[in-house]
Amino acid sequence: DADVTQTPRNRITKTGKRIMLECSQTKGHDRMYWYRQDPGLGLRLIYYSFDVKDINKGEISDGYSVSRQAQAKFSLSLESAIPNQTALYFCATSDFARGGETQYFGPGTRLLVL
Amino acid sequence: DAKTTQPTSMDCAEGRAANLPCNHSTISGNEYVYWYRQIHSQGPQYIIHGLKNNETNEMASLIITEDRKSSTLILPHATLRDTAVYYCIVRPRTSGSARQLTFGSGTQLTVLP
Repeated sequence: DADVTQTPRNRITKTGKRIMLECSQTKGHDRMYWYRQDPGLGLRLIYYSFDVKDINKGEISDGYSVSRQAQAKFSLSLESAIPNQTALYFCATSDFARGGETQYFGPGTRLLVL
Repeated sequence: DAKTTQPTSMDCAEGRAANLPCNHSTISGNEYVYWYRQIHSQGPQYIIHGLKNNETNEMASLIITEDRKSSTLILPHATLRDTAVYYCIVRPRTSGSARQLTFGSGTQLTVLP
């Protein structure tokens, strides 16, 4: 089984709808991240969490919110989806084994906002 | 994070070793060299990282030059499933706050049958 899972894998929604993307991990890591990736562009950090009681905004948090329900679960919500939020969304966890911070990614959620 | 330079693309015959170079001439003493790859539209996959010594795991080997200004990722027996964009990243040893993982343009490795 995958260590970092994301649901749904694909989602089509309409402008103005609220949607939630979910992420679960079995790696036992405290740190979790949400990124988006647009075609031809790199990863951009939306939100991150260092533990259950810690939530921090990333580079592009406007229009998004998150919830860290447990160490293993980190959800991303789009309160009112808009077309420019169409992107590939990745959840990641990280650890500091062997020095440095290594991030491990989920398979991604492809979101299309019409 | 230190800047890295990688070739845009490389080809490799299936079953042969793939050697992917990376230049990081401005690397600092506390910065690690990381390699990730991304198969089209899939999640980035961690491959290996190292500070100054050569490293090997079940996926690959990482050779870092003595002056740490360049490194080579070696996939010992490339398969078609290794076709992906490979990213070389330099990052500090620890991070008190979250550091966005920033990929450069990477190297498109195509493994040919």
